[in-house]
Amino acid sequence: EVKMVESGGGIVRPGGSLRLSCEASGFIFSDHWVYWVRQAPGKGLVWVSRINNDGSLTNYADSVKGRFAISRDNAKNTLFLQMNSLRAEDTAVYFCVRDQGLGNPGLDAFDIWGQGTMVTVSS
Amino acid sequence: EIVLTQSPATLSVSPGERATLSCRASQSVSNNVAWYQQKLGQAPRLLIYGASIRATGISDRVSGSGSGTEFTLTIGSLQSEDFAMYYCQQYNNWPLTFGEGTKVEIK
Repeated sequence: EVKMVESGGGIVRPGGSLRLSCEASGFIFSDHWVYWVRQAPGKGLVWVSRINNDGSLTNYADSVKGRFAISRDNAKNTLFLQMNSLRAEDTAVYFCVRDQGLGNPGLDAFDIWGQGTMVTVSS
Repeated sequence: EIVLTQSPATLSVSPGERATLSCRASQSVSNNVAWYQQKLGQAPRLLIYGASIRATGISDRVSGSGSGTEFTLTIGSLQSEDFAMYYCQQYNNWPLTFGEGTKVEIK
């Protein structure tokens, strides 16, 4: 079964840090670009960060640039998101997502989503 | 950044009727549009990519059309499992962007 499973969410105070993990299985992880997409309570979907197949290229939304760091360990089929200097507006469900890998690298639909992990930033 | 505008925000439909959802892009995105369904408390699920190609396992009651700036998702003969949120996404240009969503509710 192809799946991605996130972990590491929780409640943290403003200014604090969390590290999210996402373990992939059932497919060749190193064949795909992978993303973090978040969804604030009652809101829509917003991409946060992405990383290419071998980890040499990363991108970040302006709202998290300089505070978040994405990385991957292809040997362990795992994606990470290190989140520092957390703010209340970072409160959301964080999904790890795989792109299909059918079209242009990094420009493709998302065919596999994890179940999400909730991050709450509150004092 | 390409802005996607979905309409209507909420669509009230009776079971068995057809639902038609719209997604308009602020500039051409060719046919590089995907549609996702999201039920409460669940992750989104890919329905359509390439504007009109059904993803694996998606019912043939679901169809997509359009190119350029205007796109439509049609769900025929709505079943209970179809009442959910629907998001369009463009992946023609970086950054990838999502629409704000259309909620399909029971009339």
